[in-house]
Amino acid sequence: DQQVKQNSPSLSVQEGRISILNCDYTNSMFDYFLWYKKYPAEGPTFLISISSIKDKNEDGRFTVFLNKSAKHLSLHIVPSQPGDSAVYFCAASNMNYGGSQGNLIFGKGTKLSVKP
Amino acid sequence: DTGVSQDPRHKITKRGQNVTFRCDPISEHNRLYWYRQTLGQGPEFLTYFQNEAQLEKSRLLSDRFSAERPKGSFSTLEIQRTEQGDSAMYLCASSPTYPGQGEADTQYFGPGTRLTVL
Repeated sequence: DQQVKQNSPSLSVQEGRISILNCDYTNSMFDYFLWYKKYPAEGPTFLISISSIKDKNEDGRFTVFLNKSAKHLSLHIVPSQPGDSAVYFCAASNMNYGGSQGNLIFGKGTKLSVKP
Repeated sequence: DTGVSQDPRHKITKRGQNVTFRCDPISEHNRLYWYRQTLGQGPEFLTYFQNEAQLEKSRLLSDRFSAERPKGSFSTLEIQRTEQGDSAMYLCASSPTYPGQGEADTQYFGPGTRLTVL
């Protein structure tokens, strides 16, 4: 049973427009969420994270929104650039404040293509 | 370069052979994780260390797999009697000690070791 779901395998966006990548989760014990970007033949690169005590976190062109009641989070990239073309993974963890449970649960990823 | 490093980057082996991978985490990071990624999937957790102690293992880690972190610095992942189903990208990540109440640590990944079992 997939606890973290990225239902869109791919997304194509024009350069300069907004990219919105979505992620749903089923485990209400998750309290920390991360987005990673991955290029072919490389390891995932950390982008941005959010804890469950917040509903928004912003870092430059990247903003993550968390809707706990819907168990949904999204990553907004504005403006999108061709260099953003990569596979984006959503990940979740139960950090259990005061002690980490360690492992991240990943979605299957969404391939973003930003066209010039 | 002060990121997570992994060696080798690629490994081709024949079924039944043993292989060993190495991971050097970011210095001063106490936690080290191993994940496996197959085509079309996200990374799947295998095991993790706090310093030299192996604290958690996934059910994916069969008895043919063993991981060590003897001095709390680099780690090795060994697969014995490899099978074609072991073909995957093996990823290592590290994170700092839990930084404080209300915060959570972030895992930083290495470039991975691509294993192909013929």
